[in-house]
Amino acid sequence: AQKVTQAQTEISVVEKEDVTLDCVYETRDTTYYLFWYKQPPSGELVFLIRRNSFDEQNEISGRYSWNFQKSTSSFNFTITASQVVDSAVYFCALSEDISGNQFYFGTGTSLTVIP
Amino acid sequence: GAVVSQHPSRVICKSGTSVKIECRSLDFQATTMFWYRQFPKQSLMLMATSNEGSKATYEQGVEKDKFLINHASLTLSTLTVTSAHPEDSSFYICSASGGAGVYNEQFFGPGTRLTVL
Repeated sequence: AQKVTQAQTEISVVEKEDVTLDCVYETRDTTYYLFWYKQPPSGELVFLIRRNSFDEQNEISGRYSWNFQKSTSSFNFTITASQVVDSAVYFCALSEDISGNQFYFGTGTSLTVIP
Repeated sequence: GAVVSQHPSRVICKSGTSVKIECRSLDFQATTMFWYRQFPKQSLMLMATSNEGSKATYEQGVEKDKFLINHASLTLSTLTVTSAHPEDSSFYICSASGGAGVYNEQFFGPGTRLTVL
């Protein structure tokens, strides 16, 4: 079974629109960690956020915000006022072990921001 | 944050040759290193996990004789693709974990793009 589901394969938005990338995860552990990474065309993974399972507080960082809801096992990512530079593939990931073991990537969502 | 480097960033080789990719943790000791492979438009798939001084543990379906992993020191792991074929062309990403303290999480390298002609 897929541990991390990103149902949106590709999304296109026009610049300045808001966009939400969905992430649903599955785990039986009570302690776990959720991540979002950005992968631009260069390929290098850019770390965006880590959230542990005990911290359900939503987070905002500039134009980025994350909505963590344990009740629905979701960890959605919203980009406000999207820009062309936001075009990339975004991966949600689940880790049941902070050291990297039992680390599961979602299938990724390719975001294209049209100028 | 911690820095993980990979070398080379890109490599093109002929079919049948072997290619070595290095992964280094620059400012911490990596007790565990991971190797991932990513085909175009796909997610990252874990190939193997290696602990310093031990044999690597390979994921199901990954040929250990084809993808040789050496983790001889706490700052260096190498992945050697032996007798490479065009189907081995992929983006290879390593990550490293220090196992304790602030480095007790996974830090990713920038990746190596392998093209086998």
